Amino acid sequence: GAVVSQHPSWVICKSGTSVKIECRSLDFQATTMFWYRQFPKQSLMLMATSNEGSKATYEQGVEKDKFLINHASLTLSTLTVTSAHPEDSSFYICSARYILAGDAYEQYFGPGTRLTVT
Amino acid sequence: GNSVTQMEGPVTLSEEAFLTINCTYTATGYPSLFWYVQYPGEGLQLLLKATKADDKGSNKGFEATYRKETTSFHLEKGSVQVSDSAVYFCALSLSGNEKLTFGTGTRLTIIP
Repeated sequence: GAVVSQHPSWVICKSGTSVKIECRSLDFQATTMFWYRQFPKQSLMLMATSNEGSKATYEQGVEKDKFLINHASLTLSTLTVTSAHPEDSSFYICSARYILAGDAYEQYFGPGTRLTVT
Repeated sequence: GNSVTQMEGPVTLSEEAFLTINCTYTATGYPSLFWYVQYPGEGLQLLLKATKADDKGSNKGFEATYRKETTSFHLEKGSVQVSDSAVYFCALSLSGNEKLTFGTGTRLTIIP
């Protein structure tokens, strides 16, 4: 099946620094990828939709200047958390849209990246 | 707004026990409903789905029926195995919109 990877799987950074998380579709091309955030014991919350070659679409309440998304190729989207603070500590998950037969599609998820800001 | 409520875990069962994980939803319009499973160290995988009322999704021995009258999509399996240990997420998306709204997830542990 289609595989999506994320790198790194976990990262610790100091407050005020920036950290980049990569999401790759390994065996298919994805024009659309999604970034989610998950707090402990809470559901995944969609942060933004990443479209190859165009600007990302952010959900209400998500700071686009803080969470920079770049989807420069059909297999790679990156999420950069700028000037990170402890409240940005979370589990970040990406997914990629995989086109099935006809107009159907399915989302394939990466394993997630645990960010801890100290 | 749209929301998904699923039973809190963790759930621990013995092998071959019957499993039910409850899921109810609130949505404007007519959603599609999903169950995703996340095995340790892996990404979420689609387990099954149903796109309209009374549809039954099934996969790997798991089943869930789209009940519009009770706004529910409970996950069931007749005889669980140790390999079913994972976190299960109920989710919905609205027609024509692939954005997913997730429940909080239920951690299931099966003991031999």
